[in-house]
Amino acid sequence: EPEVTQTPSHQVTQMGQEVILRCVPISNHLYFYWYRQILGQKVEFLVSFYNNEISEKSEIFDDQFSVERPDGSNFTLKIRSTKLEDSAMYFCASRGGQEETQYFGPGTRLLVL
Amino acid sequence: QKEVEQNSGPLSVPEGAIASLNCTYSDRGSQSFFWYRQYSGKSPELIMFIYSNGDKEDGRFTAQLNKASQYVSLLIRDSQPSDSATYLCAVNGEDDYKLSFGAGTTVTVRA
Repeated sequence: EPEVTQTPSHQVTQMGQEVILRCVPISNHLYFYWYRQILGQKVEFLVSFYNNEISEKSEIFDDQFSVERPDGSNFTLKIRSTKLEDSAMYFCASRGGQEETQYFGPGTRLLVL
Repeated sequence: QKEVEQNSGPLSVPEGAIASLNCTYSDRGSQSFFWYRQYSGKSPELIMFIYSNGDKEDGRFTAQLNKASQYVSLLIRDSQPSDSATYLCAVNGEDDYKLSFGAGTTVTVRA
């Protein structure tokens, strides 16, 4: 069964460093998302991406964040200068064109020290 | 900002019993409603979705939607210890497909 994959599964970084989180959505899906979940809190929407551009972003998704689909398969989230409060699980999700269900990847646990 | 509220629990039920989970949402324009299961440290896993008022059954799970009351629920019949997890209610709207999640209800099934 097709699934969303994410790498790395864990990332530890120093405050102020740049990180890139990678996702490979399900191959025929057209819509891509990033969510995050701070430990013990709810899952929060960050950004949605369609047709090679951002379709919507949340207040969390400030200038320190960017997304890119550098090729036909990968979808990346970059955090330019990480802060302690960026420590969270980051989930990538994708959905097909005709359905509304989003399928989540296993997540990247980011720890900023 | 869509608000999605769930009873945080924990909800403890004996094996074989019915677990009943509730969710309310603030945006009357919400169109689609999802239940995800999340094991500790893992990603949300879709259990089922519902779009229309009424009941929808899938195996041991039944989702119920009442748009007039802005209420959606999930029943888990014949609960198993493997059902022990946090259940997330999520909604999206007509014009956007981002999901707004509730905080989740933690269910523990006692063997």
